[in-house]
Amino acid sequence: RKEVEQDPGPFNVPEGATVAFNCTYSNSASQSFFWYRQDCRKEPKLLMSVYSSGNEDGRFTAQLNRASQYISLLIRDSKLSDSATYLCVVNILTGGGNKLTFGTGTQLKVEL
Amino acid sequence: DGGITQSPKYLFRKEGQNVTLSCEQNLNHDAMYWYRQDPGQGLRLIYYSQIVNDFQKGDIAEGYSVSREKKESFPLTVTSAQKNPTAFYLCASSIDWDRGNEQFFGPGTRLTVL
Repeated sequence: RKEVEQDPGPFNVPEGATVAFNCTYSNSASQSFFWYRQDCRKEPKLLMSVYSSGNEDGRFTAQLNRASQYISLLIRDSKLSDSATYLCVVNILTGGGNKLTFGTGTQLKVEL
Repeated sequence: DGGITQSPKYLFRKEGQNVTLSCEQNLNHDAMYWYRQDPGQGLRLIYYSQIVNDFQKGDIAEGYSVSREKKESFPLTVTSAQKNPTAFYLCASSIDWDRGNEQFFGPGTRLTVL
């Protein structure tokens, strides 16, 4: 089983739609969770951290389900500018400390 | 402005040549990282440095070398021993290594071996 798994997509949605991505992780001891956004041929940029209680930032909502070991990202009222690849990132405990592990990403295409 | 810079943006190399990629940060972060990204794959960790004058191998260190002589700088050398060096190379930094804090990335260097 991969340490972090995401549906690669692409998710093609019309502008204004609500879309949700899930990501599962294998290490139950993981403590830190993030969503990053990566535009084509650019570097990943931090979108939001994911907290146990869930958190919201404008049109974006992140949730954590520790029992089932998955995190989710909900995007409401999709914009054309939301088109990108969304990376799920989880910290994995190693002998030397914490290591962030990146999923392969879920591609989102928002269309007119 | 605080941030991470990488140079060059594009790099072309002939087979058999070593090449060094630059990474500089002015965020006062202790930890720095080098990743490689290939199409359809996630980021893979090459090397990381927890603090100045220290660095550790990541998951795919073979054919690469690094140094960390200054807190701000973490250059990566891609040697001729690296079998498939063509890739997108990303440098990142974080406040520290051992608490799983978020990482911030530079704009990347695209290396093509001709």
